[in-house]
Amino acid sequence: GAVVSQHPSWVICKSGTSVKIECRSLDFQATTMFWYRQFPKQSLMLMATSNEGSKATYEQGVEKDKFLINHASLTLSTLTVTSAHPEDSSFYICSASLGGNQPQHFGDGTRLSIL
Amino acid sequence: SQQGEEDPQALSIQEGENATMNCSYKTSINNLQWYRQNSGRGLVHLILIRSNEREKHSGRLRVTLDTSKKSSSLLITASRAADTASYFCATDAWGGSEKLVFGKGTKLTVNP
Repeated sequence: GAVVSQHPSWVICKSGTSVKIECRSLDFQATTMFWYRQFPKQSLMLMATSNEGSKATYEQGVEKDKFLINHASLTLSTLTVTSAHPEDSSFYICSASLGGNQPQHFGDGTRLSIL
Repeated sequence: SQQGEEDPQALSIQEGENATMNCSYKTSINNLQWYRQNSGRGLVHLILIRSNEREKHSGRLRVTLDTSKKSSSLLITASRAADTASYFCATDAWGGSEKLVFGKGTKLTVNP
């Protein structure tokens, strides 16, 4: 149980393109999902907390107009990287929690490469 | 910053040996979790230990927590080549949200 699916797993696109990444909780409902960014050989950095039915909460230094988050249902959150540039190239990972003192369950990540 | 530090950053051992990884953090926590990440993949949850627990076991994994020293250790016994991965600790703030702060990770290589 507690499976999180992330799609796509790999994106290569030209600079200026907007890219949407989906995060789905397949067998549970998640009122809260999280989006992380990970650079090569580094740890995960939390970008934002996605709340179902309300605005996402962004971490300091993360541009909310650059990284648009939508959490329209209890099983789906999307991250859109708008007008992506090479510096946005990274590994993006989402997670969802069952709440309370439960562990977070992670998607398999999306590798974004902007040419 | 609450970000933890893992120690060592990299560890290379032979199959059958034990691997010990340490994690330190800076603020009071609700619980501490250990995750594993294979190269280019998402994270897999290993163990969650609550702030009022001192030790927890799961199969070949043993986690300890010392809240007075703000540190935790992950021991993998009888390691296998398939244990090769990066291991991260993550903490959530006491009384706070579910947000996790991850340590820098230990890259474990188990040689066959």
